[in-house]
Amino acid sequence: EPEVTQTPSHQVTQMGQEVILRCVPISNHLYFYWYRQILGQKVEFLVSFYNNEISEKSEIFDDQFSVERPDGSNFTLKIRSTKLEDSAMYFCASSEARGRAGANVLTFGAGSRLTVL
Amino acid sequence: GQNIDQPTEMTATEGAIVQINCTYQTSGFNGLFWYQQHAGEAPTFLSYNVLDGLEEKGRFSSFLSRSKGYSYLLLKELQMKDSASYLCAVPQAGTALIFGKGTTLSVSS
Repeated sequence: EPEVTQTPSHQVTQMGQEVILRCVPISNHLYFYWYRQILGQKVEFLVSFYNNEISEKSEIFDDQFSVERPDGSNFTLKIRSTKLEDSAMYFCASSEARGRAGANVLTFGAGSRLTVL
Repeated sequence: GQNIDQPTEMTATEGAIVQINCTYQTSGFNGLFWYQQHAGEAPTFLSYNVLDGLEEKGRFSSFLSRSKGYSYLLLKELQMKDSASYLCAVPQAGTALIFGKGTTLSVSS
């Protein structure tokens, strides 16, 4: 069964450092997403990406964050100057729906756990 | 914006039936999703409702009432492996899903 793959599975970094989390979405999917889940809290939407540009973003996704599709397969989340409160599990997801019609099922990767010290 | 409300925790015993409720408020409705999330793992898709009524899928069923802004997930013949968080979610303006806080279900023998 097709899956979303994420690397690294766990990253430890010092406060103020830059981090890049990588994702390979399912190959025929067109929409890509980043979510985060702070330990014990809910899954929070960060950003969605379609046709090489951001299509939606939340209030959490500020100037500290950026996303990129550097090639035909990878989708990355960059966090500049990490803060302690950025410690969380970051999930990448992808979906194949082109628009709002129908069941736009998001398939999630296993996540990248980021620990900021 | 979206507002989703679910109970925080529920407990049940093996073999029982449990109903997890979700109420929601959205500016525009485009379906409601249920996901399952085991501790430390990614959410996985369970069901989708866009029309009123019950959708059955094996041991799991999901119900929707659009006029009441209400859905429930019904789990039958509970098994220990059903211990997990169950997340109710609705689409934001486009394709991104906004999740509720989730209901943590503990199944005991």
